[in-house]
Amino acid sequence: EVVLTQSPDTLSLSPGERATLSCGASQTVSSAYLAWYQQKPGQAPRLLIYGASSRATGVPDRFSGSGSGTDFTLTISRLEPADFAVYYCQQHGGSPRVTFGQGTRLEIK
Amino acid sequence: QVQLQQWGGGLLKPSETLSLTCAVSGESFTAYHWSWIRQAPGKGLEWIGEINHGGYTNYNPSLASRVTISVDTSKNQFSLKLRSVTAADTAVYYCARLKPPRYFFDYWGQGTLVTVSS
Repeated sequence: EVVLTQSPDTLSLSPGERATLSCGASQTVSSAYLAWYQQKPGQAPRLLIYGASSRATGVPDRFSGSGSGTDFTLTISRLEPADFAVYYCQQHGGSPRVTFGQGTRLEIK
Repeated sequence: QVQLQQWGGGLLKPSETLSLTCAVSGESFTAYHWSWIRQAPGKGLEWIGEINHGGYTNYNPSLASRVTISVDTSKNQFSLKLRSVTAADTAVYYCARLKPPRYFFDYWGQGTLVTVSS
């Protein structure tokens, strides 16, 4: 099983600051199959990044993804109030076919 | 615009069977895979399984003994059955579109809260 471990669990920052969220895999994950999601309370997750670094339609360019192998990063260059939410990484492959990280909560400092 | 509309679930008693259905509109049903994902209260996301239009399924091994996902291509719908539920199955259940070849979830249903309580 590919286990995804996100760090930190909680990140406290102020609007305008830069956020760096990490996703570590227990074994090598193809960059093609690594995605990031944003979830706000009471809502379904929203796709942000797929293929480790490609932004989904309508996602602002302050969101960027990078990484390969076992280490992946989601960066939000300048935080806006709407960006404070929970973020999940997800991989496809292996067994189970899909796994998610436990999430990083991005909160306003 | 792609839409996933789900229904079913609600309040169940232990040992009962959870049943949910998701209807897809706005785009081809056959070109994608379709998944169920759940989220226990205050917890993270757990993938339950997937199906394609041909009925090929793949389940999370942790749930495989109790799960059946089926598809009705004539109605552009897919369904989830989870047998012998317990309180641990209490969660918001989402249906979602899994887009090959990169296999990410680009469209989600609105979510349905299923509560298991005696």
